Amino acid sequence: EVQLVESGGGLVQPGGSLRLSCAASGFTFSSYWMSWVRQAPGKGLEWVANIKQDGSEKYYVDSVMGRFTISRDNAKNSLYLQMNTLRAEDTAIFYCARADMIGTTDHWGQGTLVTVSS
Amino acid sequence: DVVMTQSPLSLPVTLGQPASISCRSSQSLVHSDGNTYLSWFQQRPGQSPRRLIYEVSDRDSGVPDRFSGSGSGIDFTLKINRVEAEDVGVYYCMQGTHWPWTFGQGTKVE
Repeated sequence: EVQLVESGGGLVQPGGSLRLSCAASGFTFSSYWMSWVRQAPGKGLEWVANIKQDGSEKYYVDSVMGRFTISRDNAKNSLYLQMNTLRAEDTAIFYCARADMIGTTDHWGQGTLVTVSS
Repeated sequence: DVVMTQSPLSLPVTLGQPASISCRSSQSLVHSDGNTYLSWFQQRPGQSPRRLIYEVSDRDSGVPDRFSGSGSGIDFTLKINRVEAEDVGVYYCMQGTHWPWTFGQGTKVE
């Protein structure tokens, strides 16, 4: 069974940093593109970043470019999102998702809440 | 960025009756490889999103056949043949043809 478990969320002050992790199991992690998607409280979904199987390609939404870094450790079956210079508008549930084919994701984790507030 | 516009944003439904959600993109979603990467997701209250449909009309495993997707180019539709109580939630279309991937605003089915 495919499982994605996010962790690392919490309360952080504006300008602060946080590192999210996603532990994957039940599939060959190194064979899939992976994604981070976020959802502000009571709002819709926003794709944040994608990373290729070997980490050689990464894509970001403009609003996080230069502040967030997606990475992965295939030996540990883990996906990461390093978030720097956090802003109030980054407050959201962050989901880790597996991209099972081009242009879409199939399995999602339960999400981890990031709150940026002083 | 490709803008995905859903309508309606709120959809009152009657159990047993059909329902339809429209999704329009600001540019063609036909990829250079000839495929169209348009997906539909369901998010029930308090849950993570769940994919229902990928590549316009392919239903995911375990998704009831009362859900169907159609469309081409820039206009797409999700149809629920006969709405059941468990279908309550928010539905999102998403395009994965162009970077960045983008979602529609969501349609609340209630």
